[in-house]
Amino acid sequence: AQSVTQLGSHVSVSEGALVLLRCNYSSSVPPYLFWYVQYPNQGLQLLLKYTTGATLVKGINGFEAEFKKSETSFHLTKPSAHMSDAAEYFCAVTTDTGRRALTFGSGTRLQVQP
Amino acid sequence: GAGVSQTPSNKVTEKGKYVELRCDPISGHTALYWYRQSLGQGPEFLIYFQGTGAADDSGLPNDRFFAVRPEGSVSTLKIQRTERGDSAVYLCASSFLAGGTSTDTQYFGPGTRLTVL
Repeated sequence: AQSVTQLGSHVSVSEGALVLLRCNYSSSVPPYLFWYVQYPNQGLQLLLKYTTGATLVKGINGFEAEFKKSETSFHLTKPSAHMSDAAEYFCAVTTDTGRRALTFGSGTRLQVQP
Repeated sequence: GAGVSQTPSNKVTEKGKYVELRCDPISGHTALYWYRQSLGQGPEFLIYFQGTGAADDSGLPNDRFFAVRPEGSVSTLKIQRTERGDSAVYLCASSFLAGGTSTDTQYFGPGTRLTVL
C-alpha cells in the first residue's frame, strides 16, 4: 500500500516569492508521483508527473518538482509566485503493482498575497 | 467534447433516496475512474473501469454504491438509500492507458457535488 503526506494544509506567500509545497510518500515499490492543481469549481489539472528517468521534472505554469528517493519526497517549487497560482494543490502516488488508482494527499491551499 | 464532463453539477437529495451520477469521459479513453472528495480532503478512490468491466472496485465503501459502464464509454455511479455521510464531491477521471502501465495521466471532470439532507 502507498500513502502521501502533505505538510502544511495552508501556505501563504507574497507575490514574487518562492513557492515550496511539501510532499512525502510511502511506497514499498518504485512510485509514480503526480502534482495536481484544483482551482475553485474546476476539476483537477495535472501540473507535472514523475515516472522514470530524470528526477527533476518541469511542469506547466513554471512549476517543477524533484524526486528524492533517499528522502521519499517530491516537493513542488516555483521561483516566483503569481496571484493566479492561488489554488489547492494535491500530491498523488501510484505504482505498477496493486491498484492503478491514485492515492492523494490531503492537499495544500496556496494563498498569494499582493 | 474536449474534456471529461459530469452531470449534474449539483445534486441535492433527501436521506434514503436513490441517486445516479453520470460521467462522460474523453473520447477514446479506455480507463475510467471514480473518486470521492470530502470537504478539506484529497480525492479518495472508489472504482476503476477498463473498458466495460470494473477492474478494481475495492474503494467502494459498501454495497449501497454501484457503478456501471455498459458500452465502455459513459459511466453511471449509483447510490442507494443515501445517507448524510455520502455528501461529497464525486469526481470522474479518464485515461488512455498507453503502455499498460500506471504512468498515464488521469484527466478529471469538474465533479458532481452531492448533498444529502
